[in-house]
Amino acid sequence: DIQMTQSPSSLSASVGDRVTITCRASQGISSYLAWYQQKPGKIPKLLIYAASTLQSGVPSRFSGSGSGTDFTLTISSLQPEDVATYYCQKYNSAPWTFGQGTKVEIK
Amino acid sequence: EVQLAESGGGLVQPGGSLRLSCAASGFTFSSYNMNWVRQAPGMGLEWISYISNDRTTTSYADSVKGRFTISRDNAKNSLYLQVSSLRDEDTAVYYCARGFFLLGVFDYWGQGTLVTVSS
Repeated sequence: DIQMTQSPSSLSASVGDRVTITCRASQGISSYLAWYQQKPGKIPKLLIYAASTLQSGVPSRFSGSGSGTDFTLTISSLQPEDVATYYCQKYNSAPWTFGQGTKVEIK
Repeated sequence: EVQLAESGGGLVQPGGSLRLSCAASGFTFSSYNMNWVRQAPGMGLEWISYISNDRTTTSYADSVKGRFTISRDNAKNSLYLQVSSLRDEDTAVYYCARGFFLLGVFDYWGQGTLVTVSS
């Protein structure tokens, strides 16, 4: 099965900072990658699909890029409400595996 | 408004069984694929099962294959997960999640139901 590895596992940044999270697939998955946000104590929320397409209603400060094995999620200007754990997920074929998550905190 | 409400979780002994339910509303349930995703305490997300909108196709993660069974009743707008032969490592919050138009992507999630496996 394809493994998804995120880095870093956690990060702390200041409000207004540009934040980048990396997700690497153990094999190529084309652009079959989604990103989810899970705020503390809340349910996951779909942010991005097809590696770079923003889900309806998601703020434009979020963006995704990449294809094949290497992907990034970028928050262009970190806001307090962005404190959350972010998960990448591959969906080219089952099992639809998630990365281990990246916890984003405010410095 | 799309709503998914899970129920049926609880404390169960190793080797025991439970039936989890998910009541759907706010959308045409019979038109959507559905999934179960779980999250162990303090851990990440794990997709565990999928069922197509017409019940013809199901899929399972290796970790639950042969022990869990997904089903649905489109007339009742309900999704189910029969969980059997439970192990300590099955302790988790179980979420039902609606399938997006892209297979394997989940656009709406329920609040989850906690299953605790312990003697």
